[in-house]
Amino acid sequence: EAGVTQSPTHLIKTRGQQATLRCSPISGHTSVYWYQQALGLGLQFLLWYDEGEERNRGNFPPRFSGRQFPNYSSELNVNALELEDSALYLCASSQGWNTIYFGEGSWLTVV
Amino acid sequence: GQQVMQIPQYQHVQEGEDFTTYCNSSTTLSNIQWYKQRPGGHPVFLIQLVKSGEVKKQKRLTFQFGEAKKNSSLHITATQTTDVGTYFCADNDMRFGAGTRLTVKP
Repeated sequence: EAGVTQSPTHLIKTRGQQATLRCSPISGHTSVYWYQQALGLGLQFLLWYDEGEERNRGNFPPRFSGRQFPNYSSELNVNALELEDSALYLCASSQGWNTIYFGEGSWLTVV
Repeated sequence: GQQVMQIPQYQHVQEGEDFTTYCNSSTTLSNIQWYKQRPGGHPVFLIQLVKSGEVKKQKRLTFQFGEAKKNSSLHITATQTTDVGTYFCADNDMRFGAGTRLTVKP
């Protein structure tokens, strides 16, 4: 069974541009979580989607947004990129309130 | 901001020494989960605690959930180099603590 898959693995963008990151959850999982992990730091909660709706949002500006599609895959969009947005973006999925399983992450570098 | 506070931020031990990381919440939790992230890897689920005062063991790892369900701890007995990584707790909203980075000197 495939795990959580994320794309792209690496992404380099220029300050002010937009970045789109994608996540496919484990089959059967309806919840998708997004986290930001700056180098050497902890996991900062970004967004939680379940059944296509945004259920919770972390303390991030509105330029961080996303959506969940009918097949439960998800996109994270970051507009007006800033240098400090450079980080590993981790997606995780779960079925209900069970354990969450993480993908390998997408490295975003803003130059 | 994060709902759960985790301490210490870093811990460096000699191989064979014990290690403990603590997680505290300002609110009562329905459950708490622990994850381990190896250097260069992604977080991997270790365990979930649900009951007040619950204690669970996984080989050299002992997990505790406080009586008030506001705090939790992870204790590793006789650390090994394979224990290196960052240990995170997560509350029932899947918000993670800042993590404790463990390094082990052989």
